[in-house]
Amino acid sequence: AQTVTQSQPEMSVQEAETVTLSCTYDTSENNYYLFWYKQPPSRQMILVIRQEAYKQQNATENRFSVNFQKAAKSFSLKISDSQLGDTAMYFCSYAGGTSYGKLTFGQGTILTVHP
Amino acid sequence: DGGITQSPKYLFRKEGQNVTLSCEQNLNHDAMYWYRQDPGQGLRLIYYSQIVNDFQKGDIAEGYSVSREKKESFPLTVTSAQKNPTAFYLCASSITRITEAFFGQGTRLTVV
Repeated sequence: AQTVTQSQPEMSVQEAETVTLSCTYDTSENNYYLFWYKQPPSRQMILVIRQEAYKQQNATENRFSVNFQKAAKSFSLKISDSQLGDTAMYFCSYAGGTSYGKLTFGQGTILTVHP
Repeated sequence: DGGITQSPKYLFRKEGQNVTLSCEQNLNHDAMYWYRQDPGQGLRLIYYSQIVNDFQKGDIAEGYSVSREKKESFPLTVTSAQKNPTAFYLCASSITRITEAFFGQGTRLTVV
């Protein structure tokens, strides 16, 4: 079974600085997708970024970028120029094989951005 | 506006009662999902449906039931057999073959 592990329960960063959230996963599949979701205090789940495993190029969405290391099964999220609105719980998730859309989630990392 | 609507936002249930959580989407998505979120844990899959009139159990289906009579709707019933139903429930949908899921705003269920 696929598993997703986020080893940092909580992190904090100063406004305008850069922070990296870690994620590792375990799978025997070759084709899969990885995602980072953000859950602010409103509890609405928001897709931050996605990465297709067959693409070597790391995904980027404005201030958010990933470091995808397929061989190491690592998928970290870098947030540049952190903003107060980035304060949220961040979940790493996986969907693979025939289970596309059926996401497996990590435990989450609470990120607090301080002014 | 297109999206996923969950209702109610807060729900209280007495022990021994069944309750139904509503989930409606107007995104024309084929697949729909129910997740449960507990404090300190990630989301866990309860049930999912890839097409109308068909659904499959997820990782924690015991004590729950669903139906998928219409493409737009995927209600979740929390039965009295669910021993610890107090949690935050999230409904999601996705286009088959496109993988990311879009989520509703959630329902907070509390047993009183």
